[in-house]
Amino acid sequence: GQNIDQPTEMTATEGAIVQINCTYQTSGFNGLFWYQQHAGEAPTFLSYNVLDGLEEKGRFSSFLSRSKGYSYLLLKELQMKDSASYLCAVFSISVTDSWGKFQFGAGTQVVVTP
Amino acid sequence: NAGVTQTPKFRVLKTGQSMTLLCAQDMNHEYMYWYRQDPGMGLRLIHYSVGEGTTAKGEVPDGYNVSRLKKQNFLLGLESAAPSQTSVYFCASSKERSGTGSTDTQYFGPGTRLTVL
Repeated sequence: GQNIDQPTEMTATEGAIVQINCTYQTSGFNGLFWYQQHAGEAPTFLSYNVLDGLEEKGRFSSFLSRSKGYSYLLLKELQMKDSASYLCAVFSISVTDSWGKFQFGAGTQVVVTP
Repeated sequence: NAGVTQTPKFRVLKTGQSMTLLCAQDMNHEYMYWYRQDPGMGLRLIHYSVGEGTTAKGEVPDGYNVSRLKKQNFLLGLESAAPSQTSVYFCASSKERSGTGSTDTQYFGPGTRLTVL
């Protein structure tokens, strides 16, 4: 994802909060997804934003600002099992392409320490 | 309901050999995708399919071919493997391209780790 930027790695302690930022540049924006990927496993869907604002799902929240091309994923009450890579993905539909496409960021490795 | 499955899970090839990776989904999804994932690069789309009998090129299609003869299967072929194709390959599927909600999300298979020597 050349047009999607997120930090490479973040470290936090168990019980803390971590915020993973994602900035993007795209035309035909139609939604932003966050995925979690544990080492050696497939990505799994976490959250979706298409309108500006905050979406909350339990310990995970995701925020979107379309005008700023910015999103963040907030992980609260961190647990050891939250150690994983978190992928930001932008879904866009171009006027010349009848098919929408996903572009993925390189992922942010979150390390949770005791 | 197995979701998305991939065969094989691991494979080692020599340069110039050929192979086919199989992806199968039992969710009746229209869209299927092949990605490769390399360190620091994120997931990059190789080829995709918007329905049975249709395929199209993604971001990094060179050196790969695909076929979607049945709705539930999407095959990725390497005709002459190169060391640059050493990667983890993920197949994914999605219901359709509606662009209106979280149901657009893709469901990923467990991945195939391919090493080309």
